[in-house]
Amino acid sequence: GENVEQHPSTLSVQEGDSAVIKCTYSDSASNYFPWYKQELGKRPQLIIDIRSNVGEKKDQRIAVTLNKTAKHFSLHITETQPEDSAVYFCAAMANAGNMLTFGGGTRLMVKP
Amino acid sequence: DTAVSQTPKYLVTQMGNDKSIKCEQNLGHDTMYWYKQDSKKFLKIMFSYNNKELIINETVPNRFSPKSPDKAHLNLHINSLELGDSAVYFCASSPTREGGIQYFGAGTRLSVL
Repeated sequence: GENVEQHPSTLSVQEGDSAVIKCTYSDSASNYFPWYKQELGKRPQLIIDIRSNVGEKKDQRIAVTLNKTAKHFSLHITETQPEDSAVYFCAAMANAGNMLTFGGGTRLMVKP
Repeated sequence: DTAVSQTPKYLVTQMGNDKSIKCEQNLGHDTMYWYKQDSKKFLKIMFSYNNKELIINETVPNRFSPKSPDKAHLNLHINSLELGDSAVYFCASSPTREGGIQYFGAGTRLSVL
């Protein structure tokens, strides 16, 4: 089955700096890669996703890049703000199974 | 008008008891899921139903029994609760079984004493 590794497990940045979270996956059949943000005590919410037919996707301050050959994808947050502080999860899914396998999460802390 | 709603939000119970968590989605989605999030925040799929039919059943003890009376509802019944069942349980739904965005409920925090 799919295995998703996520690094780092914690990340502390100053407000205004950039943050990068990296994930690797094992199943070459995976073709959908969402990122979820979970604030303390809240539900995971999708912030951006990418499919395997594109290499990069951007939405305002967040961007995701995908390298299918190397089987890794990354989340980039620019100009971080205190409200970006949360746990971020990457995930991978192969269409055939429709099962999302999540990474272990990254706790991002943005210091004002 | 919450999209995916689950009840109760908190559940505190004794070991050995049987409890149920209910989930409903009003998005018209075909597929629903149950996830378990442990104290270290690991999110792991437990079950997935597509239009009332079980399609994913990860290695979950058979004390856990999902039931889907219709495609808008997916309930989770847990028998003989154990300490290790303490976690937050999230329900989610997606438009089709082919995947895509999954929308999560607010979670049920289960504490087994």
